[in-house]
Amino acid sequence: QKEVEQDPGPLSVPEGAIVSLNCTYSNSAFQYFMWYRQYSRKGPELLMYTYSSGNKEDGRFTAQVDKSSKYISLFIRDSQPSDSATYLCAPGGGTGRRALTFGSGTRLQVQP
Amino acid sequence: GAGVSQSPSNKVTEKGKDVELRCDPISGHTALYWYRQSLGQGLEFLIYFQGNSAPDKSGLPSDRFSAERTGGSVSTLTIQRTQQEDSAVYLCASSSGQGNEQFFGPGTRLTVL
Repeated sequence: QKEVEQDPGPLSVPEGAIVSLNCTYSNSAFQYFMWYRQYSRKGPELLMYTYSSGNKEDGRFTAQVDKSSKYISLFIRDSQPSDSATYLCAPGGGTGRRALTFGSGTRLQVQP
Repeated sequence: GAGVSQSPSNKVTEKGKDVELRCDPISGHTALYWYRQSLGQGLEFLIYFQGNSAPDKSGLPSDRFSAERTGGSVSTLTIQRTQQEDSAVYLCASSSGQGNEQFFGPGTRLTVL
């Protein structure tokens, strides 16, 4: 079993929809959680960083962490075609290693 | 520079050749990471440097892989006797050392024929 599980998609939604992207993880030691957006043939771009259970909002993006159920989510409101990309969840910390552990990524397509 | 830079952006090599990939971290960042992204494998950690401490090499897949970081800044990842399974995008990231956020470069796409 992978430490971080993420539905690969593709997830296709119409423009303006609310998108929910999710990850589960198995290592309860993880302390902080990041979401990256990766466009085709580009490096991952940091979107959100959280380190506690609860919600964090930044513009159209909301990151949600539930440590008790080891479940992390990213919500995108009013989705745009420019949001079409692969979204990677990446928990880290607490394991004696500074490297992040990445999910396989969910490919999102927002249809105009 | 403003962000992490990597060179070359693309590298095609023949099986058995050695390759060197370069990473320039964000100025002032003391931590530097190498990851590999393969089709179907996601992003996997290779090696981590923090300041003058001994690097964490726990992710290197074989002894054909090595990396160094000179002067606490630029890093070079070397793959000796390349194999076809080494074909992947090699990504470098840096962080400030105090914070946990990692910022990635554009990657080097390596193709081993």
